[in-house]
Amino acid sequence: NAGVTQTPKFQVLKTGQSMTLQCAQDMNHNSMYWYRQDPGMGLRLIYYSASEGTTDKGEVPDGYNVSRLKKQNFLLGLESAAPSQTSVYFCASVGVNTGELFFGEGSRLTVL
Amino acid sequence: EDQVTQSPEALRLQEGESSSLNCSYTVSGLRGLFWYRQDPGKGPEFLFTLYSAGEEKEKERLKATLTKKESFLHITAPKPEDSATYLCAVQANDYKLSFGAGTTVTVRA
Repeated sequence: NAGVTQTPKFQVLKTGQSMTLQCAQDMNHNSMYWYRQDPGMGLRLIYYSASEGTTDKGEVPDGYNVSRLKKQNFLLGLESAAPSQTSVYFCASVGVNTGELFFGEGSRLTVL
Repeated sequence: EDQVTQSPEALRLQEGESSSLNCSYTVSGLRGLFWYRQDPGKGPEFLFTLYSAGEEKEKERLKATLTKKESFLHITAPKPEDSATYLCAVQANDYKLSFGAGTTVTVRA
């Protein structure tokens, strides 16, 4: 059982480049989240999706976009990367009855 | 605004030396408080959910407790494999989840 899978695991971008982080879950969960984790700041919510086809902004959505076309996939896009977006990005899905978050291994992004 | 503060930021323990981590919170209606463990280079891994003041949960050497304003994670007789960052998160009635910055625990043999 793979759980939550994120790709790529590592990425280096130049300022202004665009890219998409991919997240897939095989647990049939309705809700999925994208977080960023920076030293000393904990996990901050970027966007979340309560169900297929719906998305909402979290705490730090500026500079990002998301897509939830299929229940199992949640994509995070950076249209024009900035050095401030250097971070570790985590995708998570939510257990239906417990509210427990299941996290992926993380995607480490560096913007030069 | 919901806030979660964890203390201390870092904790160095000798193997067998019990200690506690604190998570204090302010939230507009608590739906649940979660504890996660995170190993370096990995995603957080779920440990416990607490729903109401007075509730306690245990798993091996870890015990989590909850009051109306804070939660404690007690580590009893820790081993080196308990070294990790421990994250606390609170979920409000609107289902919004807020994380603390974490406590990094290092247990020396």
